[in-house]
Amino acid sequence: AQKVTQAQTEISVVEKEDVTLDCVYETRDTTYYLFWYKQPPSGELVFLIRRNSFDEQNEISGRYSWNFQKSTSSFNFTITASQVVDSAVYFCALRDGGYNKLIFGAGTRLAVHP
Amino acid sequence: GAGVSQSPSNKVTEKGKDVELRCDPISGHTALYWYRQSLGQGLEFLIYFQGNSAPDKSGLPSDRFSAERTGGSVSTLTIQRTQQEDSAVYLCASSIRGFLTYEQYFGPGTRLTVT
Repeated sequence: AQKVTQAQTEISVVEKEDVTLDCVYETRDTTYYLFWYKQPPSGELVFLIRRNSFDEQNEISGRYSWNFQKSTSSFNFTITASQVVDSAVYFCALRDGGYNKLIFGAGTRLAVHP
Repeated sequence: GAGVSQSPSNKVTEKGKDVELRCDPISGHTALYWYRQSLGQGLEFLIYFQGNSAPDKSGLPSDRFSAERTGGSVSTLTIQRTQQEDSAVYLCASSIRGFLTYEQYFGPGTRLTVT
């Protein structure tokens, strides 16, 4: 069965700290895609990244980086030098070949304090 | 260009009434999805449209829920005889195609409150 687990419900950090959001997934398919979305207080889900199951290269985009490890079924997200504007709920999601939908984790609420 | 738009942004209705929620996908996107976000259930898939194919309705929670997509563009989600447990934010998303490679872009949602 498909499942996405984000064990951290809430994280609170002080500005400029680095923070890692964990994501563990389950799927029987060998072909699948993983996603991260950000939901700021305004409520709109914002796409951050897509990663396919055949590409385990880590990715960096500015202060954001993603670590994909198939051996541990994890797709973790790190924010370096966090800023107040990073405060949001972050969702990890999975989509595999058998389904038309995204399976979302429960989300991690990140609060960055000045 | 314009993103996914949804209307109304907020809807308050009395239990037992019908409601219609509208979604305008990004122009040129052939795939359209509806999700529901509630405190107890998180983000749940409801229904998926891809071009002229039969929709995937596997996520609809009951037969009170239905959706249609006219002309391959605008979609309407209808909830009949609303119940209090239908209170949630209803999110619409679209993608260029329905294949799993394509990311979904979400609208701002419609917050439905059933009193």
